[in-house]
Amino acid sequence: NAGVTQTPKFQVLKTGQSMTLQCAQDMNHNSMYWYRQDPGMGLRLIYYSASEGTTDKGEVPNGYNVSRLNKREFSLRLESAAPSQTSVYFCANGENTEAFFGQGTRLTVV
Amino acid sequence: QKEVEQDPGPLSVPEGAIVSLNCTYSNSAFQYFMWYRQYSRKGPELLMYTYSSGNKEDGRFTAQVDKSSKYISLFIRDSQPSDSATYLCAILNAGGTSYGKLTFGQGTILTVHP
Repeated sequence: NAGVTQTPKFQVLKTGQSMTLQCAQDMNHNSMYWYRQDPGMGLRLIYYSASEGTTDKGEVPNGYNVSRLNKREFSLRLESAAPSQTSVYFCANGENTEAFFGQGTRLTVV
Repeated sequence: QKEVEQDPGPLSVPEGAIVSLNCTYSNSAFQYFMWYRQYSRKGPELLMYTYSSGNKEDGRFTAQVDKSSKYISLFIRDSQPSDSATYLCAILNAGGTSYGKLTFGQGTILTVHP
């Protein structure tokens, strides 16, 4: 029982490259989230999905796309990476009053 | 205006001190109010949640909500070095068009020194 699994854990991209961050849960929760965390900025919501088949923008959606493939999986895509997207990315899932987080992906764009 | 604003700190206190962490929020929809704790290089973990105005206690931790002024607080009594972490307030929208949206404050880094 892994909870929330994010892949990869670390990634270095060149400016302009694309990549997809994967997130999978085995907790059967409806809501899933993608956040980025930068020093002094807390967790900023990129996109969220309140249920399978729905996605909504959060606070900082520009430069990202998401796909809720099924109830288990919620992926985050960077189409053309920029240095400003260097950050730690967290996927989370939630049910009622608690969100459970993955271990994070450290992304560096050079 | 950010939906959730948190006093940024950082805070450094001696062991045994009472710690007060504070946030304000702007949305009036039905919501849950949460506090998360995050240790270095880890994901956040839920400490406490509440949905009504008033106080909720759990051991040395007390969460306080004042819906009339849109203010939430976390108090830590008899603080310990093991409480050193980043503390984040969070608001979960439980109704309306943003149902399911979970928004965090900026976080406060707390250091409790022996």
